[in-house]
Amino acid sequence: RKEVEQDPGPFNVPEGATVAFNCTYSNSASQSFFWYRQDCRKEPKLLMSVYSSGNEDGRFTAQLNRASQYISLLIRDSKLSDSATYLCVVNQAGTALIFGKGTTLSVSS
Amino acid sequence: ETGVTQSPTHLIKTRGQQVTLRCSSQSGHNTVSWYQQALGQGPQFIFQYYREEENGRGNFPPRFSGLQFPNYSSELNVNALELDDSALYLCASSTWDRGSNEQFFGPGTRLTVL
Repeated sequence: RKEVEQDPGPFNVPEGATVAFNCTYSNSASQSFFWYRQDCRKEPKLLMSVYSSGNEDGRFTAQLNRASQYISLLIRDSKLSDSATYLCVVNQAGTALIFGKGTTLSVSS
Repeated sequence: ETGVTQSPTHLIKTRGQQVTLRCSSQSGHNTVSWYQQALGQGPQFIFQYYREEENGRGNFPPRFSGLQFPNYSSELNVNALELDDSALYLCASSTWDRGSNEQFFGPGTRLTVL
């Protein structure tokens, strides 16, 4: 079983749609959780950290369920500029970031 | 921009050759991590350097080696290149002392092995 598993993509949605990405992780010792965004042929960039209490940044909401070892990302009112690959990431001991394979989102007009 | 720079941007090598990739960390950061990202995959952790010492290593063979210098810049060396080494190599800098897990990525070096 992979350490971090994400929904298979791609997700193709129209502008204005709400889209949800799910992710599970296998190591219960994982301490930190993130969503990164990666544009085509570019480096990953931190989108947001994920906390057990849930956190929101504008149109983006992230949730963590430690008991189920599950992480989610909700994007509301999708924009064309949201088209990218979204990477679910966990960190265990401050060294390695463990990445999922990524889910590709394509928002169309 | 993150302030993390990498060189070269692109590189083409042949099987069996050796390659050195370079990374300059963000000002104030003392930790550098290297990742390999194959096409269609998420980045995979190679190793991390903290204050010039290796501070963790992923599942990569010994022909992947690294260095960190006193100014916290870093090199990734790969010997005896194989076709499967073709990938985007990403460097990420962070500040270990603050206990932060946030890592800032450079633009990457795209290595093609023929």
